[in-house]
Amino acid sequence: DTEVTQTPKHLVMGMTNKKSLKCEQHMGHRAMYWYKQKAKKPPELMFVYSYEKLSINESVPSRFSPECPNSSLLNLHLHALQPEDSALYLCASSQDPRGGASTGELFFGEGSRLTVL
Amino acid sequence: AQTVTQSQPEMSVQEAETVTLSCTYDTSESDYYLFWYKQPPSRQMILVIRQEAYKQQNATENRFSVNFQKAAKSFSLKISDSQLGDAAMYFCASHNGGQNFVFGPGTRLSVLP
Repeated sequence: DTEVTQTPKHLVMGMTNKKSLKCEQHMGHRAMYWYKQKAKKPPELMFVYSYEKLSINESVPSRFSPECPNSSLLNLHLHALQPEDSALYLCASSQDPRGGASTGELFFGEGSRLTVL
Repeated sequence: AQTVTQSQPEMSVQEAETVTLSCTYDTSESDYYLFWYKQPPSRQMILVIRQEAYKQQNATENRFSVNFQKAAKSFSLKISDSQLGDAAMYFCASHNGGQNFVFGPGTRLSVLP
């Protein structure tokens, strides 16, 4: 199983709503990532979890709240978002080099397309 | 700090022809990985090819091959026998073994029938 599964694929929310994006992988990877991607731009790193602990937070506003309940799951909780937060949110995973052999690559999900009204 | 540059925002190629996408990078690490990812309109980022910096031999995957020039910090992607399905955004990326993957700005490739 080499898949990273993201739900929902599409999400429309108002600025006062609370919603969550979900990501799941069963490849035994111990590093999981959230990226934000605007149209025709490269992915921008938001958060990294390594061995279920938050290891990188790229100064993301607190209206985005990540959570890693276990080694297979990664959530991104959304609250009081702004229209400029509309984007494609990509989840990815990788073998953590600290755990031994690593191919070094990121495995991406299909993304969740978020629209904030 | 790592940086990745792609100097071609857009490229086009005739079906069945060959095209080369350019990428240059900068890193102070001696051990690192380089990647080309493809992102079609369906939006999932798909790994095209990977190169370990310690390997001198250029990586190849079917119609895709790279020209890795370590001293020049250059990592170009050659697509042979281009197909309509190759049309996508192509991102060059580097990874130094930590948790920081650095992506270039991307090259949009169009394939003309």
